[in-house]
Amino acid sequence: GENVEQHPSTLSVQEGDSAVIKCTYSDSASNYFPWYKQELGKGPQLIIDIRSNVGEKKDQRIAVTLNKTAKHFSLHITETQPEDSAVYFCAATDSGYSTLTFGKGTMLLVSP
Amino acid sequence: NAGVMQNPRHLVRRRGQEARLRCSPVKGHSHVYWYRQLPEEGLKFMVYLQKENIIDESGMPKERFSAEFPKEGPSILRIQQVVRGDSAAYFCASSPTKGAGNNEQFFGPGTRLTVL
Repeated sequence: GENVEQHPSTLSVQEGDSAVIKCTYSDSASNYFPWYKQELGKGPQLIIDIRSNVGEKKDQRIAVTLNKTAKHFSLHITETQPEDSAVYFCAATDSGYSTLTFGKGTMLLVSP
Repeated sequence: NAGVMQNPRHLVRRRGQEARLRCSPVKGHSHVYWYRQLPEEGLKFMVYLQKENIIDESGMPKERFSAEFPKEGPSILRIQQVVRGDSAAYFCASSPTKGAGNNEQFFGPGTRLTVL
């Protein structure tokens, strides 16, 4: 089955800096890679996703890149704000149906 | 446009009791997934259901755990004879269609189960 590794486990940045979170996956058949943001006491919220037929996707301050050859994908947040502070999870799906395999999460802390 | 609803939000049970967790998917969604999150860990897949069918229960413990998604009403995750190790946050997600990795899954707020 799929295995997703995520790094770093914690990340502290100053407001306005960029933050990068990296994930690797093991199953070359995986073709959908979402990123979720989870605030304390809440469920995960989808913030951006990428499919295997593209290498990069951007949505305002958030971007995701995918390297299928190396089997890794990354989340980039620019101009970080305190409200970006949360736990971020990457995930991947095996082909067939969409049960998600999650990384262990990155706690991002943005200091004012 | 109600999202995924889960209830109760918090559930306290004593060892040996039963826990029933409910999930109402986004209106029009016919696919439901249950995940479990232990403290400071990621979410682990438990079971995937469509209306009246269990599609994949490979992540669910073989004993004490069961799930259903009836034709009418919410999906239910049932844990019999709970033990302290069952304490976790249980999240339900729903999606509108099945596909080879093409679904967006929308998560509910979770049920936090505490076993005393």
